[in-house]
Amino acid sequence: GQNIDQPTEMTATEGAIVQINCTYQTSGFNGLFWYQQHAGEAPTFLSYNVLDGLEEKGRFSSFLSRSKGYSYLLLKELQMKDSASYLCAVRASSGTYKYIFGTGTRLKVLA
Amino acid sequence: DAGITQSPRHKVTETGTPVTLRCHQTENHRYMYWYRQDPGHGLRLIHYSYGVKDTDKGEVSDGYSVSRSKTEDFLLTLESATSSQTSVYFCAIGDGNNQPQHFGDGTRLSIL
Repeated sequence: GQNIDQPTEMTATEGAIVQINCTYQTSGFNGLFWYQQHAGEAPTFLSYNVLDGLEEKGRFSSFLSRSKGYSYLLLKELQMKDSASYLCAVRASSGTYKYIFGTGTRLKVLA
Repeated sequence: DAGITQSPRHKVTETGTPVTLRCHQTENHRYMYWYRQDPGHGLRLIHYSYGVKDTDKGEVSDGYSVSRSKTEDFLLTLESATSSQTSVYFCAIGDGNNQPQHFGDGTRLSIL
C-alpha cells in the first residue's frame, strides 16, 4: 500500500527553529512536495525535492533521503504567521501526475 | 496567483439530491484534480484529468463522476449525495513536469 506519515501537531516558540518530518512508503518515487495551508484556506506550494539533499528557500528548507523514505521541512526564525498546517505530498508513479498526501502537521507558533 | 476558480464556494443540500461542483482555470494547464479534505484524512484524490475527455480515478472515487469537455473546465458530480460526502472540496491544476499544483479556494459542501 501507499502511506505517508507526518506528526499530527507541533508547537514552537516565535523566533525558534522547527523541523517537520515526513516518512513515506510508496510503490515508487518521483518527487516530494511541501505545501502550507492556513486554516480555511487553500494549500500553497513551499518546496520540492526529487534528489537527495537540502533545498533552501529563505527561512524554509527541505531535505530528502530517498533511501530512507524520509523528508523534513525546516522552518527558521519562526513567525506567528507560520502557524498553519504543513502537507507532504509524493508523486509515486512515473507514469502519471497523481500525488499522495499525508494528513498534514498542524504547527502552532506561540509568542 | 494561478487563475483557478471554484463554484459554488458553499453549498448546503439534502441527501439524495444531485450536486455539481465546477472548477475553471485560465492557465491552460493540462492536469486538473479534485480532492476532498476531511479531518484526520488530509487531502484525498477523487478524480483527475490529464486532458480533454481524459480522466482517471483516485483513491476515493466511489459516488463521484467527472467530466472535462474543454481544457478550462473540470466538473465534479455527486449523482445522489450522501451525508458521508460532506467535506471541503479542492480543485487543483498542474502542468506536470514536476511543477507544483495550484489549488482553488475550495468548496464547503454540507449534505443534510
